[in-house]
Amino acid sequence: DVKVTQSSRYLVKRTGEKVFLECVQDMDHENMFWYRQDPGLGLRLIYFSYDVKMKEKGDIPEGYSVSREKKERFSLILESASTNQTSMYLCASSFLGGGAWETQYFGPGTRLLVL
Amino acid sequence: SQQGEEDPQALSIQEGENATMNCSYKTSINNLQWYRQNSGRGLVHLILIRSNEREKHSGRLRVTLDTSKKSSSLLITASRAADTASYFCATDETSGSRLTFGEGTQLTVNP
Repeated sequence: DVKVTQSSRYLVKRTGEKVFLECVQDMDHENMFWYRQDPGLGLRLIYFSYDVKMKEKGDIPEGYSVSREKKERFSLILESASTNQTSMYLCASSFLGGGAWETQYFGPGTRLLVL
Repeated sequence: SQQGEEDPQALSIQEGENATMNCSYKTSINNLQWYRQNSGRGLVHLILIRSNEREKHSGRLRVTLDTSKKSSSLLITASRAADTASYFCATDETSGSRLTFGEGTQLTVNP
């Protein structure tokens, strides 16, 4: 079975702190994704990566950056956390489809609270 | 902009009944996927249906796709309390660069 793990289930940080969210997948997937999920807004794509050291902006990249130094690991970085970044963060991975976006496998999520 | 939109937003049924959720979208797609999310957890993939397919089954799940109407439905037969979750459709637009998720249908199955 595909396994996607996230470093923390719950996280509490202070405004202005630098926050690292880590995601690791064990299925040799090329694609990895970071979403945030908020009530009434659904899932919104922050960044994705289709290869090591490659990254693409999603719909809401402002205030975030990412790092993919190894194929299995995709990190989301909040350079200076703000209260409006309080949210549920979901990591996902998938195979590189032949021109199509294939099944995504999600981690359990990190619920981040910024005070 | 929102591609997939689920209907209804919330659905409450009794155990043993069937549950039907619908998804509408706006543009041409390569495939449409359904996911389930238990409260406070990550999403779990249920079914992927490609644009050239009309119907797919997986256990108690049946998904249909009507590309002329740009809509899909997810049917859960003989529902159980454990089916209580949010269900999302996600579309892979032919002209898009990502999978786009709807806002989900919250299904409650009462014992």
